[in-house]
Amino acid sequence: EVRLVESGGGLLQPGGSLRLSCAVSGFTFSDYWMTWVRQAPGKGLECVAHIKQDGTEKYYVDSVEGRFTISRDNAKNSLFLQMDSLRVEDTAVYYCGRDRWGAGMVDFWGQGTLVTVSS
Amino acid sequence: DVVMTQSPLSLPVTLGQPASISCRSSQSLVYSDGNTYLHWFQQRPGQSPRRLIYKVSNRDSGVPDRFSGSGSGTDFTLKISRVEAEDVGVYYCMQGRHWPWTFGQGTKVEIK
Repeated sequence: EVRLVESGGGLLQPGGSLRLSCAVSGFTFSDYWMTWVRQAPGKGLECVAHIKQDGTEKYYVDSVEGRFTISRDNAKNSLFLQMDSLRVEDTAVYYCGRDRWGAGMVDFWGQGTLVTVSS
Repeated sequence: DVVMTQSPLSLPVTLGQPASISCRSSQSLVYSDGNTYLHWFQQRPGQSPRRLIYKVSNRDSGVPDRFSGSGSGTDFTLKISRVEAEDVGVYYCMQGRHWPWTFGQGTKVEIK
């Protein structure tokens, strides 16, 4: 059974840092691009970051470029999102998703982890 | 960024009746490999998104055949032939041709 389980969300103040994790099982992690997608409360979906199977290519949406870092550990079947200099507008549920071909075809999603940035 | 525009944003439907959602992109979604990277996702209340259709018209495993996708270039459509109660939720189109991938605003399907 394919599983993606996010963790690491929480409440913090603007300017703070947080590291999200996504533990996967049930498939060969190193065969897939991986993506972080977020959803602000009551809003739509936004792709935040994307990483190639071997970690050699990483892409970020402009609003998080320079503040967020996506990484992965294929030996531990884990995906990460290091979030620094957090802003109120980063408040959202963060989902990890797998994508076999790197073209937005995210076919499995985790349950999400909530990040709340508030003073 | 590529802008994805969905319509309508709200779609009340009678059970058993058809429903149609339009999605337009501000740029062509056709890649040099000949594929068009336009996908559809369903998000039921309180759940994570679920992919229904990939590359315009390919239905995912386990997705009922009442769901179908069509279109080309910049104009796309998701159709539900006969809406069932379990279809309630928000539907998003998403382009995977140009980074950052972008979603439409979402169309909320509800039962009349």
